[in-house]
Amino acid sequence: SQTIHQWPATLVQPVGSPLSLECTVEGTSNPNLYWYRQAAGRGLQLLFYSVGIGQISSEVPQNLSASRPQDRQFILSSKKLLLSDSGFYLCAWSPKDTQYFGPGTRLTVL
Amino acid sequence: KQEVTQIPAALSVPEGENLVLNCSFTDSAIYNLQWFRQDPGKGLTSLLLIQSSQREQTSGRLNASLDKSSGRSTLYIAASQPGDSATYLCAVFADYKLSFGAGTTVTVRA
Repeated sequence: SQTIHQWPATLVQPVGSPLSLECTVEGTSNPNLYWYRQAAGRGLQLLFYSVGIGQISSEVPQNLSASRPQDRQFILSSKKLLLSDSGFYLCAWSPKDTQYFGPGTRLTVL
Repeated sequence: KQEVTQIPAALSVPEGENLVLNCSFTDSAIYNLQWFRQDPGKGLTSLLLIQSSQREQTSGRLNASLDKSSGRSTLYIAASQPGDSATYLCAVFADYKLSFGAGTTVTVRA
């Protein structure tokens, strides 16, 4: 069966520091991969999606970037975090017509 | 751009009462519609998926309807229990992406 992992589960970072969140999927190949952010009291916002290695689409302009170095690995990064980057980050993978979500990373930028 | 709206934003009911959660979307060209549950600080759990050609789906006490032409879906939860307390998210799938509503936060009082 397929599983999706995210780490770390919780992260507290100072403003201006770098960020790297990792997502990996097991039990499938060539999945579509997604990064979402959920800010406090708000809905989920799609940040990036990828349909293959090295193929990244950005949905909104922002301080973040994404990379897909391997088929089942999706990384969310920032060179300098802003206060507004705080939130709950969810990774998801899609086999065809639905999406399965990871457990999420709670990021607090102070 | 797809806009998904959920009404009400919050709902508090006594145990045993039926719940009705509403979702509307602006672009009817969708592949499917999903209802998710999110517990505080946790990831998303898929509850029901309705294909665009279907009118409804049922799972236990949950029933979801879809009227694609009018851009509406309703999630019914029968005989609510305190364990049903959570945030319920509606999302439409199109162009490889999910567009989410902001959610309805449900509290079931014992």
